[in-house]
Amino acid sequence: GAVVSQHPSRVICKSGTSVKIECRSLDFQATTMFWYRQFPKQSLMLMATSNEGSKATYEQGVEKDKFLINHASLTLSTLTVTSAHPEDSSFYICSAAGQSSGNTIYFGEGSWLTVV
Amino acid sequence: SQQGEEDPQALSIQEGENATMNCSYKTSINNLQWYRQNSGRGLVHLILIRSNEREKHSGRLRVTLDTSKKSSSLLITASRAADTASYFCATDSLGNTGKLIFGQGTTLQVKP
Repeated sequence: GAVVSQHPSRVICKSGTSVKIECRSLDFQATTMFWYRQFPKQSLMLMATSNEGSKATYEQGVEKDKFLINHASLTLSTLTVTSAHPEDSSFYICSAAGQSSGNTIYFGEGSWLTVV
Repeated sequence: SQQGEEDPQALSIQEGENATMNCSYKTSINNLQWYRQNSGRGLVHLILIRSNEREKHSGRLRVTLDTSKKSSSLLITASRAADTASYFCATDSLGNTGKLIFGQGTTLQVKP
């Protein structure tokens, strides 16, 4: 079974609204989670590194005020896309790793975001 | 940021043939991993090869790693229609455990 769960798997939102995507580690404590974005027919692009209890580290070109990341507990990280626009429509996928997982990286199933 | 290139970008073969995909990267690494992704779905982890390993096998998969050339290859033998998917290499750079940088990917089509 999945050890990293993402929710929702699909979401449609109106332009200008915000949407939150959750990433949960089910069987281990994830000290670090990573958020990726994948546009159709492209590869995964790392957006940010989320560390429990501290601010996320964003990759170059990713707007931290637009993509809010919160990692308030060792089993949950959230990505909030604020003031969403159609160009934010994409596949968002998280991964998690931690000492209790043997530092093995586990990926969530991904979340499809469509902004209309 | 993208770590490197994969080639070919697209590959079409007949069932039973072998498929070889190549990946190049730019920085020193802890390990290199290969993933499969079916259209519109999440990632399936295939194999991990560490920087001190040169070759690894798993079932019909064979992965090689050449750290001097900063390149890796994935060979799928006796391909099946079910192998149709996109394949990505991803590197875990030194000092950044868990932070994977993905290659561009190869789209493989296996015709029955």
